[in-house]
Amino acid sequence: GAVVSQHPSWVICKSGTSVKIECRSLDFQATTMFWYRQFPKQSLMLMATSNEGSKATYEQGVEKDKFLINHASLTLSTLTVTSAHPEDSSFYICSARVAGTDTQYFGPGTRLTVL
Amino acid sequence: KQEVTQIPAALSVPEGENLVLNCSFTDSAIYNLQWFRQDPGKGLTSLLLIQSSQREQTSGRLNASLDKSSGRSTLYIAASQPGDSATYLCAVNLQGAQKLVFGQGTRLTINP
Repeated sequence: GAVVSQHPSWVICKSGTSVKIECRSLDFQATTMFWYRQFPKQSLMLMATSNEGSKATYEQGVEKDKFLINHASLTLSTLTVTSAHPEDSSFYICSARVAGTDTQYFGPGTRLTVL
Repeated sequence: KQEVTQIPAALSVPEGENLVLNCSFTDSAIYNLQWFRQDPGKGLTSLLLIQSSQREQTSGRLNASLDKSSGRSTLYIAASQPGDSATYLCAVNLQGAQKLVFGQGTRLTINP
């Protein structure tokens, strides 16, 4: 089946630094990728929809200047958490929609811990 | 605003039992509904996808039903096994928006 990878799988950083998370579709093209955040024992909350070659669409309450999303190719989207703070510590999961379909595949997630 | 609710939040049953997980959604204008499995600290694995025009889907010991008019879906697991222990999430795909809204999940524990 289709595979979506995320890198890194976990990251620990100091407060105030920026962290970049990559989401790659390994064997298919994805015109649309989605970024989710999941706090402990809670469900996934959609943060933004990333479209290849255009600006991301952010959900209400998500700061676009803090969570920078770039979708430069049909197989890669990146999420940069700028000036990270401890409250940004969470599990970030991406999904990629196969071009021309409504099928999404999810990445394994990235655990971010901000000290 | 679409809201998805899953009941129960947690369930613990002995191995071999059949069980039902419930999912309800407030807006029936959905494109499809999916059931996912999530193991601790891991990503999501898609189990079943039901299109809005379908009533049910089956895969092995899993059967998912959809009643769009009443805003309900159930996931039936037959002959449960310890390996079925995980969190089960349902998500609706909003019609026209192509984005998923997730429920809170049901944390399932199958005891040997």
